Amino acid sequence: NAGVTQTPKFQVLKTGQSMTLQCAQDMNHNSMYWYRQDPGMGLRLIYYSASEGTTDKGEVPNGYNVSRLNKREFSLRLESAAPSQTSVYFCASSVLAQVGETQYFGPGTRLLVL
Amino acid sequence: QKEVEQNSGPLSVPEGAIASLNCTYSDRGSQSFFWYRQYSGKSPELIMSIYSNGDKEDGRFTAQLNKASQYVSLLIRDSQPSDSATYLCAVNEGTGRRALTFGSGTRLQVQP
Repeated sequence: NAGVTQTPKFQVLKTGQSMTLQCAQDMNHNSMYWYRQDPGMGLRLIYYSASEGTTDKGEVPNGYNVSRLNKREFSLRLESAAPSQTSVYFCASSVLAQVGETQYFGPGTRLLVL
Repeated sequence: QKEVEQNSGPLSVPEGAIASLNCTYSDRGSQSFFWYRQYSGKSPELIMSIYSNGDKEDGRFTAQLNKASQYVSLLIRDSQPSDSATYLCAVNEGTGRRALTFGSGTRLQVQP
């Protein structure tokens, strides 16, 4: 049982390049989330998926798109990377997207945009 | 803008002492509260969750919630050097959005 996995672990992009961050969970959770973490700013929600087939914007969605491919997988795409998107990206999952649900985090992807 | 506020620290305590970490939140409708621990370069891991006013104890950790004052705290008894990490307070709002709002974290240093 690997929990939440993310690929890649580290990526360097040039401004304007695109890439997709992958996330998968094997806990049969319904809900999945993408956060970014910047120094001194805590974690901020980019997008979440309450259940398979649904996605919703979070606090900082601009410049990102997501796909809930199936119950296990939730990907985050940067269509045209900008230096402001340099950050650590965490994927998380929970059984349900409801009050009181514990979220479990993946190991993170460190992205540097030059 | 709903906010969760924490003192960034660092909070330095000697080994064996009690570490007290504090968090305030702005949304009175918030219903569940979490403390996550994050070691440098690692992902957050859940330490405690609390939903009702009062204290909740789990081993060396005690979470305290006061909804009237919009205040939640984490006490770590018998602090160990291995407790040195950043502690993130997270709040789940009662309605609407279902994800967590995080504070920026408090860095704790336990001195041997």
